[in-house]
Amino acid sequence: AQKVTQAQTEISVVEKEDVTLDCVYETRDTTYYLFWYKQPPSGELVFLIRRNSFDEQNEISGRYSWNFQKSTSSFNFTITASQVVDSAVYFCALGNYGQNFVFGPGTRLSVLP
Amino acid sequence: GAGVSQSPSNKVTEKGKDVELRCDPISGHTALYWYRQRLGQGLEFLIYFQGNSAPDKSGLPSDRFSAERTGESVSTLTIQRTQQEDSAVYLCASSNSGTASSLVYGYTFGSGTRLTVV
Repeated sequence: AQKVTQAQTEISVVEKEDVTLDCVYETRDTTYYLFWYKQPPSGELVFLIRRNSFDEQNEISGRYSWNFQKSTSSFNFTITASQVVDSAVYFCALGNYGQNFVFGPGTRLSVLP
Repeated sequence: GAGVSQSPSNKVTEKGKDVELRCDPISGHTALYWYRQRLGQGLEFLIYFQGNSAPDKSGLPSDRFSAERTGESVSTLTIQRTQQEDSAVYLCASSNSGTASSLVYGYTFGSGTRLTVV
């Protein structure tokens, strides 16, 4: 069975602090894909990033970076120099061809001014 | 349209009534998904359509829930005899599953239908 765990239910940081959101997954598939989505207060889910299981190269996009470690089944997400607009619920998800995505329970991030 | 469209955006219904929620996926997207999100909770998978294959209904919580999809177009999620615990945001997503794009760009979600059962 596939499972995604986001142990942090809520995180509060002060603006400009760095923050890391944890994601741990379980799957028996040898090929799979991992995603992060952002859900701001407006409610829409916004795709942020995808990684595939055979590419462990970490990625940086502006203030966002992702650390994929297959050995520990983790796909953590770091926001550098956080801003108030980063306040949202962040979901980690696991997916594969022809299957529905399994979402984690989400981490609510509050960035205080 | 350019995105996934859901209607209505808000629905208030009395307990025991039936409701229909509609989803218009992105044109050409073969896969369509319904998720439920209760207040402050994560996404709960309901049902998945992929082309003309039999849908994956494994997430439907009870036989009061059903969904239809005509070809690769509109889908309707029906909840019969609504209960207060059905109150949630119902999210629809589509993807071009089976090609690289869905797994590059993930799902595209609609804005959801907020259902309130009173």
